[in-house]
Amino acid sequence: DQQVKQNSPSLSVQEGRISILNCDYTNSMFDYFLWYKKYPAEGPTFLISISSIKDKNEDGRFTVFLNKSAKHLSLHIVPSQPGDSAVYFCAASLKTSYDKVIFGPGTSLSVIP
Amino acid sequence: KAGVTQTPRYLIKTRGQQVTLSCSPISGHRSVSWYQQTPGQGLQFLFEYFSETQRNKGNFPGRFSGRQFSNSRSEMNVSTLELGDSALYLCASSLARDRGELPYGYTFGSGTRLTVV
Repeated sequence: DQQVKQNSPSLSVQEGRISILNCDYTNSMFDYFLWYKKYPAEGPTFLISISSIKDKNEDGRFTVFLNKSAKHLSLHIVPSQPGDSAVYFCAASLKTSYDKVIFGPGTSLSVIP
Repeated sequence: KAGVTQTPRYLIKTRGQQVTLSCSPISGHRSVSWYQQTPGQGLQFLFEYFSETQRNKGNFPGRFSGRQFSNSRSEMNVSTLELGDSALYLCASSLARDRGELPYGYTFGSGTRLTVV
């Protein structure tokens, strides 16, 4: 049973526009959420994270929003660039075991020049 | 600063064989985790080691095992290989020290691509 879901396997966005990647989770005990980006033939790289005590975290062009009541988070990329084309993984961990990070299946983002 | 190093990069094995994959974490990182990536399944958590002890384990059969050495290097072993074990195996290390400390975010290696024929 997938505890972290990314229901859109793929997303295409025009360069310069906003990319919104969505993630839902089922376990209300998740306390910490992370986003990773993965290029082909490389390991995932950490992008941004958010603690459950916050509802927004921003880092440059990347912003993550958390809606705990809806068990939903989203990653906004503004403006989108062709180099952002990659697979994005949403991930979550429990307060009792931050070391065990559960990943979603990923969303493949294509930014069209 | 060297990244996470996984060896070998590619491996082809026959059903029934066993395989050992190696991971050298970033210097100073004591937590090492292993993930299996398959199309459509994303990254599935295998296990996590800290100071030579397995702290967390995913839902994989006992054929999948691992260990961590005193220098934090880790190995994972898969015995009696099945066709379904074909996947990209990723190792990740982090600065996380004691349980309860927020993860700084994993640093992943490039993975070992295992093909079982």
